[in-house]
Amino acid sequence: AQTVTQSQPEMSVQEAETVTLSCTYDTSENNYYLFWYKQPPSRQMILVIRQEAYKQQNATENRFSVNFQKAAKSFSLKISDSQLGDTAMYFCAFMRIQGAQKLVFGQGTRLTINP
Amino acid sequence: DTGVSQDPRHKITKRGQNVTFRCDPISEHNRLYWYRQTLGQGPEFLTYFQNEAQLEKSRLLSDRFSAERPKGSFSTLEIQRTEQGDSAMYLCASSLTTGVTEAFFGQGTRLTVV
Repeated sequence: AQTVTQSQPEMSVQEAETVTLSCTYDTSENNYYLFWYKQPPSRQMILVIRQEAYKQQNATENRFSVNFQKAAKSFSLKISDSQLGDTAMYFCAFMRIQGAQKLVFGQGTRLTINP
Repeated sequence: DTGVSQDPRHKITKRGQNVTFRCDPISEHNRLYWYRQTLGQGPEFLTYFQNEAQLEKSRLLSDRFSAERPKGSFSTLEIQRTEQGDSAMYLCASSLTTGVTEAFFGQGTRLTVV
């Protein structure tokens, strides 16, 4: 079974700073997807960024980028020029390509951006 | 279509009562998922539908839980004889079948069993 671990329960940075959230996972699969989801206080989960395991290039979406280290099974999220609206719970998630494509989530990191 | 809709948003019930939640996915989405999220934790998979067929159930889904998706449209999740340990946020998500696509989540139903 796959597991996802986020070792930082909480983080706090000043607005405009850069912050990196950590995620490690365990799987015997060779091909899979990894995701970062954001859950603002309103509780609706929103996709931030995704990475296909077969792609060596790290995914980027505007201010959000990942550092995907397949051999180390590490998948960190970097938020540049952080904004107050980035305040939320962030969840790392793993998905097998075959079968139900259900998401396996980590415990989450509560990120607070301070003005 | 405004996204995945869940109803009710909040439900308080007495222990032993039955509750039913509804999820309306994005209209063209074939896949529908239910997850449970307890306070301070990430969501955990409960069950998955492709169209009207329930194809996978987690061991977390005890006999007191049942889910349906008649006609492959909306889905319901029923919990019978609720227990305090059932208190959680119940999230619904939907996605397309084609390829690997983004799962869109609803705002969830928060259940409190007193």
